[in-house]
Amino acid sequence: DADVTQTPRNRITKTGKRIMLECSQTKGHDRMYWYRQDPGLGLRLIYYSFDVKDINKGEISDGYSVSRQAQAKFSLSLESAIPNQTALYFCATSDFGRTGSYEQYFGPGTRLTVT
Amino acid sequence: GDSVTQMEGPVTLSEEAFLTINCTYTATGYPSLFWYVQYPGEGLQLLLKATKADDKGSNKGFEATYRKETTSFHLEKGSVQVSDSAVYFCALSPPGDTDKLIFGTGTRLQVFP
Repeated sequence: DADVTQTPRNRITKTGKRIMLECSQTKGHDRMYWYRQDPGLGLRLIYYSFDVKDINKGEISDGYSVSRQAQAKFSLSLESAIPNQTALYFCATSDFGRTGSYEQYFGPGTRLTVT
Repeated sequence: GDSVTQMEGPVTLSEEAFLTINCTYTATGYPSLFWYVQYPGEGLQLLLKATKADDKGSNKGFEATYRKETTSFHLEKGSVQVSDSAVYFCALSPPGDTDKLIFGTGTRLQVFP
C-alpha cells in the first residue's frame, strides 16, 4: 500500500462549487504539505502543517483552506472553485521535525478540473 | 526572492547517451539543493540532494555537484536508459527555512531505444 494517498485522483467540478481534496499518510510523519502543479510553473506551496495545531500559509494560499484532522490526515478545500484553480494537486509529508531529514514524500496527485 | 531556473525541455536522447540537465539558483546564503523525479502518473520522489557547497549528491547513476561559485546544481548521468524517461525538478530549500521547497519548472526527459 502507498504511504501517502490522495482522494479523489481525478475530479471535475463546476465554478462556484465547494470541493475537498483529502490526503492520508501511514508514514508517521509530523509535517504535511499541499502543492499545486501547473504546466510551465513547477510546483508551488499552498499550505503546510507542522502538526495538528500548527498550520501555515504557503506561497499561493488565497482561495484555499486546509484542515489537519489528525497527524495522518490533511485536507485541502476550495470554498468556491474557479477555473484558474484547474491544476494537479500534490500532498507531501516529511519527518523533518523528528529526524532533521529534508526529504519530502509525495502522494500520487489529484487532477482537478474546474469548468 | 529565492528561485530556481532549469533548462527547458523536452530533452530527447537515445539510450546510453550522456545526460546533462542544467539548473541554476538564486538564494541568499547557502540553501540545500535537490533533484526530484516524477515518473508518468506518479508523485515526485527525491533523486538526490546536497546540503553544502562542493557536496556531490548521487543516486541510481545520477550525479549533481553543488557549485556555489556558479550557483549551479546540474544533473548528469553517463548512460541513460529508457526507464529514465520522466520529468526532473531541481529545487532548493532556503537556509533557516528548511520546510520550504522552491521548485524549478521541470525538464521532461525522453529516452528512445
